[in-house]
Amino acid sequence: EVQLVESGGGVVRPGGSLRLSCVASGFTFGDFGMSWVRQTPGKGLEWVSGITWSGENRVYADSVKGRFTISREDAKSSLYLQMTSLRAEDTALYYCARDVLGEFSGDYYNYMDVWGKGTTVTVSS
Amino acid sequence: SYDLTQPPSVSVSPGQTATIACSGDNLGDKYVCWFQQKPGQSPVLVIYEHTKRPSGIPDRFSGSYSGDTATLTISGTQAMDEADYYCQAWDRRLSYVFGTGTKVTVL
Repeated sequence: EVQLVESGGGVVRPGGSLRLSCVASGFTFGDFGMSWVRQTPGKGLEWVSGITWSGENRVYADSVKGRFTISREDAKSSLYLQMTSLRAEDTALYYCARDVLGEFSGDYYNYMDVWGKGTTVTVSS
Repeated sequence: SYDLTQPPSVSVSPGQTATIACSGDNLGDKYVCWFQQKPGQSPVLVIYEHTKRPSGIPDRFSGSYSGDTATLTISGTQAMDEADYYCQAWDRRLSYVFGTGTKVTVL
């Protein structure tokens, strides 16, 4: 069974840092790109960051660029999100998701097919 | 920024058809997925590449698109289909963008 399990969430003061982890099982982690997505009651779902299967390409939403860093450790089937300079608006449930490479008429694209249960980050003084 | 707009809510009677629209500029040039999210649960992929259904998703769920609008249709809606539904678009420049979400209520 494909499974993603996030951890590392907690309560942190504004300006603080936190590192989220996501451990994968049930598939060959190194064959897939991965993403972080967050959800707040007020703003719905927001894609945060993604990393390719090789780790060579990393992309970020404008809202976190320069503050968050995505990384992976294939030997541990693990995905990470290092969050710094945290703000109140970063408060959310953070999910990791598996990216699948699809193909349509010779064009390649990504979609997310499996999500973890999430870990909650609260930024508050 | 790129915005995907969905109606906040849709109500449907059991056995009837629910349709949820998702609109965005040049949406037909992007790849659209739909996710179902029940309270307290993670999102579940129900449609990808505009019209394809992952294994295990009932065939009452279908996707379509025309121009700048993608549509999720639930035929013969059941009580278990009551959930929030989100569209999502992907392209190389934007990466992923989610829609505003639609709450489907089965009356």
